[in-house]
Amino acid sequence: AQKVTQAQTEISVVEKEDVTLDCVYETRDTTYYLFWYKQPPSGELVFLIRRNSFDEQNEISGRYSWNFQKSTSSFNFTITASQVVDSAVYFCALSEAGGMGSNTGKLIFGQGTTLQVKP
Amino acid sequence: GAVVSQHPSRVICKSGTSVKIECRSLDFQATTMFWYRQFPKQSLMLMATSNEGSKATYEQGVEKDKFLINHASLTLSTLTVTSAHPEDSSFYICSADPTGRSYNEQFFGPGTRLTVL
Repeated sequence: AQKVTQAQTEISVVEKEDVTLDCVYETRDTTYYLFWYKQPPSGELVFLIRRNSFDEQNEISGRYSWNFQKSTSSFNFTITASQVVDSAVYFCALSEAGGMGSNTGKLIFGQGTTLQVKP
Repeated sequence: GAVVSQHPSRVICKSGTSVKIECRSLDFQATTMFWYRQFPKQSLMLMATSNEGSKATYEQGVEKDKFLINHASLTLSTLTVTSAHPEDSSFYICSADPTGRSYNEQFFGPGTRLTVL
């Protein structure tokens, strides 16, 4: 069965600190997708990144970076020089594979990590 | 592009009434839409997969007679919470999977906050 674990329930940092949010996943599929979403207090999910299982290259987008390691089934997310506006709940998610190598589209979410960035 | 809307954004109703929530893909067609529920300070849990022109597929433990899903067109799916009770109070989020896209991607609506008194 697929599973996503975000062991950090809450993290509190001071502005300008770097912070890493951990995500560990379990799946038997060889083809899958991993996602990170941000959920601010308004509730609307903000898409951050999608990564397929065949692309292990790390990615950087501004202050955000992602480290995908299949060997440890991890897809960690780092925010550099955090800002107060980064305060939100962050979810890591795994797409469920269907038959014949396709994806069903179902997303399995981790429990989320609440990040508080203090000024 | 790829905008999904939900209506209403917030609803308060009395126990025993039914509430309908609409999910619309505004600038793309979606054969498949998904309905999630999120309780306070918890994660999103998939309730059902809505397929245009066919019956929805419900996740284990979700009562299909209580949560009626209709996906009548390629841009609209509705979730009706029938005979709502206070324990149904939650944040309901839909997402839409664009038809014909070759990779897995969903676009999420802004959510509907349901409060049952």
